[in-house]
Amino acid sequence: GAGVSQSPSNKVTEKGKDVELRCDPISGHTALYWYRQSLGQGLEFLIYFQGNSAPDKSGLPSDRFSAERTGGSVSTLTIQRTQQEDSAVYLCASSLAGSGSYEQYFGPGTRLTVT
Amino acid sequence: AQSVTQPDIHITVSEGASLELRCNYSYGATPYLFWYVQSPGQGLQLLLKYFSGDTLVQGIKGFEAEFKRSQSSFNLRKPSVHWSDAAEYFCAVGASGGYNKLIFGAGTRLAVHP
Repeated sequence: GAGVSQSPSNKVTEKGKDVELRCDPISGHTALYWYRQSLGQGLEFLIYFQGNSAPDKSGLPSDRFSAERTGGSVSTLTIQRTQQEDSAVYLCASSLAGSGSYEQYFGPGTRLTVT
Repeated sequence: AQSVTQPDIHITVSEGASLELRCNYSYGATPYLFWYVQSPGQGLQLLLKYFSGDTLVQGIKGFEAEFKRSQSSFNLRKPSVHWSDAAEYFCAVGASGGYNKLIFGAGTRLAVHP
C-alpha cells in the first residue's frame, strides 16, 4: 500500500513568511509524528499525535510552530514568521499505534529553505 | 535524560569488507532500540529493532545488531558490505511504557569503495 506522503517536497520562502507543510499518514495509522532534520541539530522530535488525545508538543522549538491533525488523518505543520534557522528537512512519520514498540514509517520529507 | 551517541561521523569501507557501526545509549529503563538508514534524498527506513528477548536481532538487507546492556550499546553489523549500502545510518532510542518519540543519534555516514 501507499506509504507516508508529504507535500511539498521542496519549499523556498522568504524570511518572515508563513509556511504550511502537509503529511498524509499511512491509512489506519493512529499515531503521527513530526521530526526536523537540520545540519546543526540532527534529527529532532517536534510533535506527536495519537488518536483523539492531546498532542505531545514538547519538541516544538518556539510558539511560531504549530501543528494540527484533522479527522485523525492528515496533518499540517505551520511555521509562522519563518526565520533562517528554520531551514531544515521536516519529516513526518506514522505508526499503527502510539506505543513505542510500533515501527514508525517515515515520509520522504519536505526540504524548507528560508532566504 | 535519554541520549544516543554514534561516535563515528564518517566510515569508509571496501566493498565486501565487514562493517560495524557503533551506538551507545543513555536510558534508565529497558530501552526500545532502532537502527534506521537514510539514502540521499530519501526518508528513513527501519533496518531492525530491539524490544526484549534475544539480544542479537536480525534485520533487513543482511544487517544485524547486538544489544549489550552492560555496555549500553547497540552496534550494527554486516558481514559483507555492498556498494548499495552507502548511506547514512541512525541509531535511535524510544522509551518504553508508552512514551513515543524517538531520540536519534547524530548519524554515521557510510562510504563504500569498490
